[in-house]
Amino acid sequence: DTAVSQTPKYLVTQMGNDKSIKCEQNLGHDTMYWYKQDSKKFLKIMFSYNNKELIINETVPNRFSPKSPDKAHLNLHINSLELGDSAVYFCASSIGGGTEAFFGQGTRLTVV
Amino acid sequence: GESVGLHLPTLSVQEGDNSIINCAYSNSASDYFIWYKQESGKGPQFIIDIRSNMDKRQGQRVTVLLNKTVKHLSLQIAATQPGDSAVYFCAENRGSGYSTLTFGKGTMLLVSP
Repeated sequence: DTAVSQTPKYLVTQMGNDKSIKCEQNLGHDTMYWYKQDSKKFLKIMFSYNNKELIINETVPNRFSPKSPDKAHLNLHINSLELGDSAVYFCASSIGGGTEAFFGQGTRLTVV
Repeated sequence: GESVGLHLPTLSVQEGDNSIINCAYSNSASDYFIWYKQESGKGPQFIIDIRSNMDKRQGQRVTVLLNKTVKHLSLQIAATQPGDSAVYFCAENRGSGYSTLTFGKGTMLLVSP
């Protein structure tokens, strides 16, 4: 009965590959997010979706393409992975924007 | 005491002490603030929030203070326990129209038994 679940938890891949991270929330929230956390623990918003519509894209390279098939899911596809993409990616959800966000456990992406 | 390391500011305390973690925010238009706790290998978890029409809010063992004049937020943890060891983030709700939470740099709290 996990509220926000994302898979996989760990992802190790080579440069140039394409990979996806999946996220699902069972809280009935209408807004979902992707955050990136770097090695210094800094959390930066990447995307925000409200009712399946893209609301915010924080100047993320277009190699990153989020997809929201329905309100409960927000997946992140990354093309042509680079070393600098190595980070922990967090999915989160909330009711509306700017309110308490519930986070998933994170996906640690390592590009080698 | 508090020190700034290469990566994260770190606060080291003894079990039973009270801890105070500080945060400066940048946008005077922000009207909602949250403190999150992130344990190793986990996602951030909500601790307590406060709206800009308040200057203090208390929870169980935690108190958040908001000083809008100097744009400062603090989290006080009473009787700190080893299980409180984690990275703590403040987040603010800013932006016009549809807004998102913007996170500050974290502070690592280390509690020694």
